[in-house]
Amino acid sequence: QIQLQESGPGLVKPSATLSLTCTVSGFYMDSYYWNWIRQAPGKGLEWIGYINFFENSSNPSLKSRVTVSMDSSKNQFSLKLTSVTAADTAVYYCAGGRKDYFDYWGQGTPVAVSS
Amino acid sequence: DIQMTQSPSSLSASIGDTVTITCQANQDIGNFLNWYQQRPGKAPKLLVSDASTLATGVPSRFSGRGSGTHFTFTISGLQPEDFATYYCQQYDDFYTFGQGTKLEIK
Repeated sequence: QIQLQESGPGLVKPSATLSLTCTVSGFYMDSYYWNWIRQAPGKGLEWIGYINFFENSSNPSLKSRVTVSMDSSKNQFSLKLTSVTAADTAVYYCAGGRKDYFDYWGQGTPVAVSS
Repeated sequence: DIQMTQSPSSLSASIGDTVTITCQANQDIGNFLNWYQQRPGKAPKLLVSDASTLATGVPSRFSGRGSGTHFTFTISGLQPEDFATYYCQQYDDFYTFGQGTKLEIK
């Protein structure tokens, strides 16, 4: 059974870098696309970026601040979001699947940006 | 940018009712559209891919239709566990979600 689990700090200071890791179990990572998606409090879903063995991509509205990386030997992929502000406060989900859709999700991890 | 507009933003219905949610894209996205269900405090769950293909294990009371810019998602015979928020999502150009439709019990 495929499981995803996010980990990382729940509180980040303004202007700092948000770093999260997603650990994948039960699946061969190189076959799928691995995504980060976030949801601000009371708001909808926003795709942040993905990584695959062959390519990566990110939301143009966040592109200059986003890095998504993968270490398949550890069954993990990671997100770095630089220069965070209060607008980056959200629940961050990792999700995997084919390039077309997200069919496996982590439970989500809340991240607050505050001094 | 491809913008996805869902309507209504909220909806009240009773057990056994049939409800339909609409998702409109601001440009032709073919059938590159998915639907998700999100229960409070939980991660979204894929229900429909490619506009009309039910995901594995999803009950047949859920259905999706449409292509181009206009899409619909229907639940026929609401069950208690269906009261949740539903999102459409396009994958024609990057990925964007609709703003969500909250389905509440009347």
